[in-house]
Amino acid sequence: EAQVTQNPRYLITVTGKKLTVTCSQNMNHEYMSWYRQDPGLGLRQIYYSMNVEVTDKGDVPEGYKVSRKEKRNFPLILESPSPNQTSLYFCASSLLYGNQPQHFGDGTRLSIL
Amino acid sequence: AQSVTQPDIHITVSEGASLELRCNYSYGATPYLFWYVQSPGQGLQLLLKYFSGDTLVQGIKGFEAEFKRSQSSFNLRKPSVHWSDAAEYFCAVAGGLTGGGNKLTFGTGTQLKVEL
Repeated sequence: EAQVTQNPRYLITVTGKKLTVTCSQNMNHEYMSWYRQDPGLGLRQIYYSMNVEVTDKGDVPEGYKVSRKEKRNFPLILESPSPNQTSLYFCASSLLYGNQPQHFGDGTRLSIL
Repeated sequence: AQSVTQPDIHITVSEGASLELRCNYSYGATPYLFWYVQSPGQGLQLLLKYFSGDTLVQGIKGFEAEFKRSQSSFNLRKPSVHWSDAAEYFCAVAGGLTGGGNKLTFGTGTQLKVEL
């Protein structure tokens, strides 16, 4: 089954404690992306990757890092989380060209205390 | 820069009634437009997409949308709403074929409530 898998689904942590949200897709997609969803703001792109070792900033990259060492994985790293990063995060993937629809994971709800 | 406006934050309809969710976009070139649905605790599921061609596109679950370039709109419709359609709906536009062109710019969403 084609899917995008995120872990963990829920996490409560404290300010400053480094955390990583993993994302994996099994569709051999080149393009992967992270979004955060906040009430009244919709979804906003954090980072994206067009292929292995090719990443770039989206609209709200501050406080986040990503890496793309393998095609299937695109982890989101919060090196020093702060309360304003409390949000619902989605990973998505798609083929690179032709603006193919993006497939979304089920989301990760992060609470930073 | 591209943008999407969904003017209705909340909409309530009775089961069996028709539905129209509004979406207006701003984009300089031919837009690639999408509607996604998000059920509670779930990720986003693609309902339908418009790339080119016929301006009336059919999607899953009985939804359709009409692209109107003159009005910069891509409204979502359903002739008869079911209680299971209660969810949040997002309109999105994607830009171009290069660089970050796959990036989706989302509207702020419309929360649909269905009264039985």
